[in-house]
Amino acid sequence: AQTVTQSQPEMSVQEAETVTLSCTYDTSESDYYLFWYKQPPSRQMILVIRQEAYKQQNATENRFSVNFQKAAKSFSLKISDSQLGDAAMYFCAYRRLQGGSEKLVFGKGTKLTVNP
Amino acid sequence: GAGVSQSPSNKVTEKGKDVELRCDPISGHTALYWYRQRLGQGLEFLIYFQGNSAPDKSGLPSDRFSAERTGESVSTLTIQRTQQEDSAVYLCASKPGGLTYEQYFGPGTRLTVT
Repeated sequence: AQTVTQSQPEMSVQEAETVTLSCTYDTSESDYYLFWYKQPPSRQMILVIRQEAYKQQNATENRFSVNFQKAAKSFSLKISDSQLGDAAMYFCAYRRLQGGSEKLVFGKGTKLTVNP
Repeated sequence: GAGVSQSPSNKVTEKGKDVELRCDPISGHTALYWYRQRLGQGLEFLIYFQGNSAPDKSGLPSDRFSAERTGESVSTLTIQRTQQEDSAVYLCASKPGGLTYEQYFGPGTRLTVT
């Protein structure tokens, strides 16, 4: 079964500094998608970044980048030049396809605090 | 355009009552998902609708939970005889069909069972 593990329940970072959030996953599939979602107090889930497993190049979206280590099944999120608006829950997710169905499998999340 | 909307935003109900939660997906999105998020936890998959195909109900936790979708529009999630463990945020998401990957989430309904 696919599982997603986020080992850091909480993290904090100083404004303008860099922080890395960890995620590991378990799968027997060779092609899949991984995602990082941000959930602010408004509860709205916002897609931050995605990674296709067949791509060796790490995905980047402005200040957000990932370190995708396929063999190690690791998918960490790096936030550079942290801003106060980055404070939120961050969830790592795996896209599971099975028998015509599709779902996201989420980790338990990391609460990120940004200190001014 | 309008995003995914959910109603009500918050719902407080007494144990044993039935509740109905509504999701309006983005127009034209053929796929619709329901997830449950318990306090301090990640999202748990409940059910998946894709067009006119049979839904994937494998995530529904008990037979007290059911969901319907009218064509490619509104979906309702019904919880019968609510229990305190049903207290959670229920999130709906939709996406276009085909090979697209991004699910667009609504703001959720916070359900509190007293």
